[in-house]
Amino acid sequence: ETGVTQTPRHLVMGMTNKKSLKCEQHLGHNAMYWYKQSAKKPLELMFVYSLEERVENNSVPSRFSPECPNSSHLFLHLHTLQPEDSALYLCASSQDRADRTNTEAFFGQGTRLTVV
Amino acid sequence: GQSLEQPSEVTAVEGAIVQINCTYQTSGFYGLSWYQQHDGGAPTFLSYNALDGLEETGRFSSFLSRSDSYGYLLLQELQMKDSASYFCAVGSGGYQKVTFGTGTKLQVIP
Repeated sequence: ETGVTQTPRHLVMGMTNKKSLKCEQHLGHNAMYWYKQSAKKPLELMFVYSLEERVENNSVPSRFSPECPNSSHLFLHLHTLQPEDSALYLCASSQDRADRTNTEAFFGQGTRLTVV
Repeated sequence: GQSLEQPSEVTAVEGAIVQINCTYQTSGFYGLSWYQQHDGGAPTFLSYNALDGLEETGRFSSFLSRSDSYGYLLLQELQMKDSASYFCAVGSGGYQKVTFGTGTKLQVIP
C-alpha cells in the first residue's frame, strides 16, 4: 500500500455517461495530481492541485473536470468521453517544499477506464 | 518544452547487471528521478539525483551528469522480481513540474 487509494479500480462507461474517479491520500501531503497512462506513451500530467488550488492544467479537454474539496481528496469527473480516452488514470500525491527540492511522489493503483 | 529518451525494452539474465540510460532536454532542471512500475501496479519511487555523481541504494544505483543531460539507473544482482517498467523523470521545481519518459520494460530471464 502506498497510502494513496483510488476507486474504482476498473470502469467501463459509454460515451454519454457521467462518472467520477476518486482518490484519497492518507499521507498528509499538500499536493495531488492526476496522470493519464496510455499504452506505449509516457505518463501524461493532467492536473495539479497544491494546497487545494489548481496550479496546473495541461490543455486537458473540458470533458475531464477535476475537483479537490480538501487536501486529502481528489476527484476526476468524466462526461461525454471518447474511446481514445480509454487509459489508466493514476492519482499521485507529494509534499512540496518551499525550497523547491524534489520530493518523491506516491501513486495510487490507478483506475483502468474503458470507454465504449 | 521537456523531453526524455530511454530504451523501450531491455532483457538481462538473472544475477547480472543492467544499465538503463536516460537522456533529457529540459529548461529549469532540478533533478532526475527513477520510478519502477510492475504490470498492473502503481509507479513507485526508486531514486533522485540533483547533483552529478552516483547515488547508491542497495542493489540499485542512479547516476547523473548535468553537463551531458544524461543519467542512468544501474540494477545489480538482478532478480526475477525486477522485471518491470522503469521510468526516468525530470523535475523543474518541486514535484509539480515533473515530466516522465516513455519507460523501459526490463525483462529478467533465468
